[in-house]
Amino acid sequence: SQQGEEDPQALSIQEGENATMNCSYKTSINNLQWYRQNSGRGLVHLILIRSNEREKHSGRLRVTLDTSKKSSSLLITASRAADTASYFCATDEKLTFGTGTRLTIIP
Amino acid sequence: GAVVSQHPSWVICKSGTSVKIECRSLDFQATTMFWYRQFPKQSLMLMATSNEGSKATYEQGVEKDKFLINHASLTLSTLTVTSAHPEDSSFYICSARVPDSTDTQYFGPGTRLTVL
Repeated sequence: SQQGEEDPQALSIQEGENATMNCSYKTSINNLQWYRQNSGRGLVHLILIRSNEREKHSGRLRVTLDTSKKSSSLLITASRAADTASYFCATDEKLTFGTGTRLTIIP
Repeated sequence: GAVVSQHPSWVICKSGTSVKIECRSLDFQATTMFWYRQFPKQSLMLMATSNEGSKATYEQGVEKDKFLINHASLTLSTLTVTSAHPEDSSFYICSARVPDSTDTQYFGPGTRLTVL
């Protein structure tokens, strides 16, 4: 069964706006990771947040983790056309992916 | 960051033939590599965990005799799709875990397999 489930499944926003995606998972975790996948390409690791962390930043990315709710969010600020991709969350070593959020940035 | 390569990037083959896909970690040694498949607009599904020097661990529902995995060195794992059929057409992606404390996996660019 899938461990990470992203929400929404699809999101379209204007360039420059912020994009927020959510991820829910089922079991206890050691860490949670976010990845980006451009169409027909491999995955790019974006950021890892550990279970004892609540928030982490990397450039225009901000990730939060709420272990009590078993959820995480990824915020992309000041979106750019190049951010158009699918975004996945996955947990721990044996990564199990959800269906991802397909983000489209409208120029 | 760590780099993982795959070869070939795409392959077209006839039904019944076997296809080998290579996954290499270019600038680090990976004791563990993972193989995924992804159907269009769907998620990545873990097929197996490849451990250097030992047998691969397959996920439930994945036929080990059909998807042969060999992890002969710390930088190379291969996936062989034996007697391929059209339903095996998919996007195959490997990843390698950097041997540090972060559990971060780095992914290859994927291999598009089309079986005619």
